[in-house]
Amino acid sequence: GAGVSQSPRYKVAKRGQDVALRCDPISGHVSLFWYQQALGQGPEFLTYFQNEAQLDKSGLPSDRFFAERPEGSVSTLKIQRTQQEDSAVYLCASSFGTGVLINQPQHFGDGTRLSIL
Amino acid sequence: AQKITQTQPGMFVQEKEAVTLDCTYDTSDQSYGLFWYKQPSSGEMIFLIYQGSYDEQNATEGRYSLNFQKARKSANLVISASQLGDSAMYFCAMREDTGANSKLTFGKGITLSVRP
Repeated sequence: GAGVSQSPRYKVAKRGQDVALRCDPISGHVSLFWYQQALGQGPEFLTYFQNEAQLDKSGLPSDRFFAERPEGSVSTLKIQRTQQEDSAVYLCASSFGTGVLINQPQHFGDGTRLSIL
Repeated sequence: AQKITQTQPGMFVQEKEAVTLDCTYDTSDQSYGLFWYKQPSSGEMIFLIYQGSYDEQNATEGRYSLNFQKARKSANLVISASQLGDSAMYFCAMREDTGANSKLTFGKGITLSVRP
C-alpha cells in the first residue's frame, strides 16, 4: 500500500508477556519514528531511525523497550515483561528525508492499540 | 516546561462555519517548524498543514490556514466552511531544528465536534 502500515491493529497481552509491534514505512522513506500515545494525550516520542541506524532512543521509557530496523525498512518495537502502564497506542511514522529539513511532514500509520491485562 | 500548549476544552462548531483551534508553543530556537495533525476516531494521524518559523506568509492548504504570530508564539489553525467529517482530535506539533533528529513534540490535542 501507499501508506505506513502497522500490525497488529490491536494487541492484548497479560502482564509479564513480551510483545512485538511491526511497522512497514512508506517505500523509500529514510526516517522512521515510534511514538507512544496514552489515552486522551498527544503522541510522545520514543525512538528514531535513519535507515538502519537508531540515532535517538532517548524517549524509550525503560530498558524493557527495544526497537530495531535491521534492513532500513521494516521496524519492530519490542516490549519485554509488559506492565499495565505500557497500555497505549503505539504509532509509527516515516518521512522521506533524513530529518535535516524541518519542513518534512511525518506520515503516520493507524497505530497498534496495546492493552496489558 | 510544556513546549506545546493546547488548552481549549472540546470545541463545537456549526456546519459550514469557521472555527479557530488555538496553539501556543515555547522554544528558544530561531529555526523550527509547526505542524497540525488531525486524528479521527479511527486513530490515524493525518498531516494537515505546516508553518516554518522563517515563513513570512501564513500557510494555507485548502480549507485550512494557519494564523502564525511569531512574537506571541502562537500558531492557531483556522478551518473554514466546517464539514461533518472535520469532527476529530486536532494536534499541534513542533519540530525544533536540532539536526538529524527531527522528532515532533505534540500538544495534548483539542476535540472538535461539527454540528449539522
